[in-house]
Amino acid sequence: DAGITQSPRHKVTETGTPVTLRCHQTENHRYMYWYRQDPGHGLRLIHYSYGVKDTDKGEVSDGYSVSRSKTEDFLLTLESATSSQTSVYFCAISVLAGGLETQYFGPGTRLLVL
Amino acid sequence: RKEVEQDPGPFNVPEGATVAFNCTYSNSASQSFFWYRQDCRKEPKLLMSVYSSGNEDGRFTAQLNRASQYISLLIRDSKLSDSATYLCVVIIVGGTSYGKLTFGQGTILTVHP
Repeated sequence: DAGITQSPRHKVTETGTPVTLRCHQTENHRYMYWYRQDPGHGLRLIHYSYGVKDTDKGEVSDGYSVSRSKTEDFLLTLESATSSQTSVYFCAISVLAGGLETQYFGPGTRLLVL
Repeated sequence: RKEVEQDPGPFNVPEGATVAFNCTYSNSASQSFFWYRQDCRKEPKLLMSVYSSGNEDGRFTAQLNRASQYISLLIRDSKLSDSATYLCVVIIVGGTSYGKLTFGQGTILTVHP
């Protein structure tokens, strides 16, 4: 257990509404990530953060923004949700141990955009 | 061509069987390799890292072949609880020094009585 929580765990929203997903970690990890998982595509990186206020885009960042004002929280915002953003969203952190980096995932948020 | 490719299966095997999954990766700069396990409607969880010399953890054996750019996972004496999706994961360490994880789409395993 890497001490990662996500909220909400489930959300139903309508097209065009803003949505913010929260990832919270308790172990002061520097790197945090947001992924989405869809059938036929596997897990794809949306955005990542390498420190407070330091973020960068992943491979599927269009339509998403992120913020990290505190080490423990990494927020993912859909400014205007679309049906194509219906997905399962996972947050992850990186742990470096013995020279090997490993990522651990939160429990996920299931988002349905109607 | 996808960066990481896996046979999606599904693999349906009886309890006690031995089953093997393969995964190929396209980027020769890949530096770290893992197998994750994902149960239905749950998050991926690290199963094991894959080392160049190969490594074993109980009933699970992972192998890496850098020359051919593939990774394998062998499960011996399959249990019902091994039923899950197995994800092959490759990390390419880039200039930003963070590890860019690339996931295969996963191989579905069902172990039946």
